[in-house]
Amino acid sequence: EAGVAQSPRYKIIEKRQSVAFWCNPISGHATLYWYQQILGQGPKLLIQFQNNGVVDDSQLPKDRFSAERLKGVDSTLKIQPAKLEDSAVYLCASSLVRGTDWSGGEQFFGPGTRLTVL
Amino acid sequence: QKEVEQNSGPLSVPEGAIASLNCTYSDRGSQSFFWYRQYSGKSPELIMFIYSNGDKEDGRFTAQLNKASQYVSLLIRDSQPSDSATYLCAVRGGGADGLTFGKGTHLIIQP
Repeated sequence: EAGVAQSPRYKIIEKRQSVAFWCNPISGHATLYWYQQILGQGPKLLIQFQNNGVVDDSQLPKDRFSAERLKGVDSTLKIQPAKLEDSAVYLCASSLVRGTDWSGGEQFFGPGTRLTVL
Repeated sequence: QKEVEQNSGPLSVPEGAIASLNCTYSDRGSQSFFWYRQYSGKSPELIMFIYSNGDKEDGRFTAQLNKASQYVSLLIRDSQPSDSATYLCAVRGGGADGLTFGKGTHLIIQP
């Protein structure tokens, strides 16, 4: 079974530029997550999709970050304009189903996109 | 605001010994708990998860959960140099699907 795919793997941009990341989840996984992992920190959830609808975007900086999952499969995350503090690894994860409090919903991560903002 | 606390380490353990990793969480509504391993420069990979109080064993790994104390631990038996990595504790619950992660514990297994 193929894993979560992400591209690009690395990106270097100047501050105030825009950037976009792409994610293709594991086939059949309805739930998709974007996390931001700053060096030395654990991943932080930015947004969660269930099929093509947003479930949770409470931690997404909406003034500069946007994300979409138009056909309920692959997803893009965009940053415009980028700031120095956006330098991080952006991880996409997917799960087969939404987890309940008691079971299911194990999340599998892609390789990530390492963003450096100069 | 959910918080997950882990000792950042490094935790150094001799090869063949038991490594014990600990995690506490702030939200009493949390119901499911995950341990991920992350090698340097790689993405997190799921080791195991636990939902019920007590112990859950999977090979050399044992997860322990005590909801009353808001405490989760991971034991690694017969530690190997390949176990050297950062171990991330993650929590889900209270109606939300997304995971709240700790900062991770850097584990070093000394040959």
